[in-house]
Amino acid sequence: ETAVFQTPNYHVTQVGNEVSFNCKQTLGHDTMYWYKQDSKKLLKIMFSYNNKQLIVNETVPRRFSPQSSDKAHLNLRIKSVEPEDSAVYLCASSPDWGSQNTLYFGAGTRLSVL
Amino acid sequence: GQQVQQSPASLVLQEGENAELQCNFSSTATRLQWFYQRPGGSLVSLLSNPSGTKHTGRLTSTTVTKERRGSLHISSSQITDSGTYLCAMSNNNAPRFGAGTKLSVKP
Repeated sequence: ETAVFQTPNYHVTQVGNEVSFNCKQTLGHDTMYWYKQDSKKLLKIMFSYNNKQLIVNETVPRRFSPQSSDKAHLNLRIKSVEPEDSAVYLCASSPDWGSQNTLYFGAGTRLSVL
Repeated sequence: GQQVQQSPASLVLQEGENAELQCNFSSTATRLQWFYQRPGGSLVSLLSNPSGTKHTGRLTSTTVTKERRGSLHISSSQITDSGTYLCAMSNNNAPRFGAGTKLSVKP
């Protein structure tokens, strides 16, 4: 049963445009994450929020910015997309921050930059 | 930083054979999780255990934390087991993933 919802499923855009991806979880979890999965299926952590507070910010370009209005929502904005931003962006949540954090993933947003 | 290495990168089995997938990590882990991803699909959590052995159905996860390694055993593989298996380790931080093992089960 899906409990982490991502929109849109797909997005095609051109270099330099701005895009926004949405993520909502209905599990009542405190922690949410954004991962980037490249064409080789490798997942890299980008950001992590706990109770609306940013706690992990990996080395990602400044054009990426997360936004959290409440602990159930974590959106991702890319200001001016580049070709290397083409990937699947996966949102996840976990009950809390720390060692017991079992992840629950959304279906992902596939971004294609032309 | 933390690194997670999985082996083999790919594995082809005949239906009914067993599979053993390995995960090694570069620093102390407090939890190791295994995920399954069908082509074009989302990640589904399979098993999660910080140490020791855990079973669910035909899957067995074994984690030896002090040796920084874990494994996933799939018994009596089925065609529907085909896909990518990913391990993720965490140490009081956001889980880090390996590159995955692509499993193909043939009839």
